[in-house]
Amino acid sequence: AQTVTQSQPEMSVQEAETVTLSCTYDTSESDYYLFWYKQPPSRQMILVIRQEAYKQQNATENRFSVNFQKAAKSFSLKISDSQLGDAAMYFCAYRRTNNDMRFGAGTRLTVKP
Amino acid sequence: DVKVTQSSRYLVKRTGEKVFLECVQDMDHENMFWYRQDPGLGLRLIYFSYDVKMKEKGDIPEGYSVSREKKERFSLILESASTNQTSMYLCASSSGGGYSGNTIYFGEGSWLTVV
Repeated sequence: AQTVTQSQPEMSVQEAETVTLSCTYDTSESDYYLFWYKQPPSRQMILVIRQEAYKQQNATENRFSVNFQKAAKSFSLKISDSQLGDAAMYFCAYRRTNNDMRFGAGTRLTVKP
Repeated sequence: DVKVTQSSRYLVKRTGEKVFLECVQDMDHENMFWYRQDPGLGLRLIYFSYDVKMKEKGDIPEGYSVSREKKERFSLILESASTNQTSMYLCASSSGGGYSGNTIYFGEGSWLTVV
């Protein structure tokens, strides 16, 4: 079974600095999707960024970018110019089929003013 | 904007009670999900539905059942609540069509405490 590991339960970053959240996953498949979701204290989970495994180019969304290393099965999230509103729980997720979305345990990010 | 609405944010139920958690989405999505979220464990899939009256078990279906009589509504049922079902429950939906890259949209969650 596919598993997703987030080895950092908690991270903190100074406002305006850059932080990287780690994620590794285990799969024998070649085609799949990877996601980072953000869950702010209000609890509604929202999509931050998505990566298709067949694409070599790393996805970017404004201040958010990923470092996708397919061979190493690594999918880290980099947040640049951190803002107070970035404070949240971040979940890495893997999806192969519609009914098989696996989440990591999450990383709680604190942003210090 | 996609809206996934969970009817109850906070519930307190007694052991042995039958509990219904309701979820409605307004985007005509084919797929709907129920997840359970616990600290240190992330989100675990309880049940998945890809069409009206169709369902598939997820990783932790024991003690739960689901109902999908209408496309927009997906209910999670705890037949006889137990204290180990105290948790946050998240409903989600996504469009179907076999494309696994579709965004999954989540509701705000339902905090269930079983005493």
